[in-house]
Amino acid sequence: NAGVMQNPRHLVRRRGQEARLRCSPMKGHSHVYWYRQLPEEGLKFMVYLQKENIIDESGMPKERFSAEFPKEGPSILRIQQVVRGDSAAYFCASSPGQGQQPQHFGDGTRLSIL
Amino acid sequence: DAKTTQPNSMESNEEEPVHLPCNHSTISGTDYIHWYRQLPSQGPEYVIHGLTSNVNNRMASLAIAEDRKSSTLILHRATLRDAAVYYCILANAGKSTFGDGTTLTVKP
Repeated sequence: NAGVMQNPRHLVRRRGQEARLRCSPMKGHSHVYWYRQLPEEGLKFMVYLQKENIIDESGMPKERFSAEFPKEGPSILRIQQVVRGDSAAYFCASSPGQGQQPQHFGDGTRLSIL
Repeated sequence: DAKTTQPNSMESNEEEPVHLPCNHSTISGTDYIHWYRQLPSQGPEYVIHGLTSNVNNRMASLAIAEDRKSSTLILHRATLRDAAVYYCILANAGKSTFGDGTTLTVKP
């Protein structure tokens, strides 16, 4: 029973490049969440998506960041023109429904900006 | 967003019970109380959740105050593998706000 799969596990980019982070939810899960975690800090909510819809993006920076969860394929978190401050661990979680349903997390993508 | 307050750190001896407290005085009637834990270099792992009644599962127990303004995660016999950061969060309509959690150290 595959869990939430994130890839790549580690991603290195130079300033100004684009970063694409992928998340495949657990089988049967149609809700996806993205979080960012800086070193020694807790997780910060970024965005909540259902298939083809963004439900809540209140935690996403207004510029350079976007997320999608297409009808087919994984959810993608895209960061354009990366800066050093984007260096962090990005975690994806999925659930079968919203609200009280527990979220199942992947092991994250560690993004390093040179 | 309703917030939770947890102690920054706690220590326990191996094989002894651990009670991890969480305050959530602004909880709303539809908020569920969820607990997760995170080991170094891993994603958070679901532990337990509840609404009003106390809950038990194979990992832990959750005791919820009658007024729901606080809760306690109980690990009945701590092991070295239980050393992690424990997060208490309120979940409602998708968005979950994680605080800084409690770092649990388990001493052999």
